[in-house]
Amino acid sequence: AQSVTQLGSHVSVSEGALVLLRCNYSSSVPPYLFWYVQYPNQGLQLLLKYTSAATLVKGINGFEAEFKKSETSFHLTKPSAHMSDAAEYFCAVSRQYNNNDMRFGAGTRLTVKP
Amino acid sequence: DVKVTQSSRYLVKRTGEKVFLECVQDMDHENMFWYRQDPGLGLRLIYFSYDVKMKEKGDIPEGYSVSREKKERFSLILESASTNQTSMYLCASRVGGRAVETQYFGPGTRLLVL
Repeated sequence: AQSVTQLGSHVSVSEGALVLLRCNYSSSVPPYLFWYVQYPNQGLQLLLKYTSAATLVKGINGFEAEFKKSETSFHLTKPSAHMSDAAEYFCAVSRQYNNNDMRFGAGTRLTVKP
Repeated sequence: DVKVTQSSRYLVKRTGEKVFLECVQDMDHENMFWYRQDPGLGLRLIYFSYDVKMKEKGDIPEGYSVSREKKERFSLILESASTNQTSMYLCASRVGGRAVETQYFGPGTRLLVL
């Protein structure tokens, strides 16, 4: 079975600082990898996804993530944090060729300090 | 834009009551999902439906059932609510057939069972 581990349940950065949210995955077959964001009192929305086309994936709101097979990682970054980035972020993995087995990490809550 | 709506944002029920959570999507998606979200555990799949009247158990189906009589509507049923079912419930929908497709989420229903 596949799984993801998000390192750090809470991350705090200053406005303008680099955002780095860590995600490591485990999968026995080539994975698809996703980052979702959840703003307060809302559902999840997709930030970006890795579909095996390119290892560096750019998403919405200036976020990007790099797939590193050798490190089984898919960390999310943003060069300069904005107050509006404060939210909970979820990494998720699904196996290619399988329709119904997306697994989510426990989530990382990002706080942005002025 | 895809829209996924859930019948209630907040719900308070008594132990033993039968509870219905409704989810409707407007994009003709084949796949629909019910998750529960708990702090520190991320999202866990309760049930998945890949077509009308078709369903599969997820990771935590105990105490829940589902119904999908129409393509746009997917209902989650708690036959006899218990306090350990107090949680946030999220519905999602997706184009069918491939795990790479994005899941679109509703805003969630926060259920409190007293």
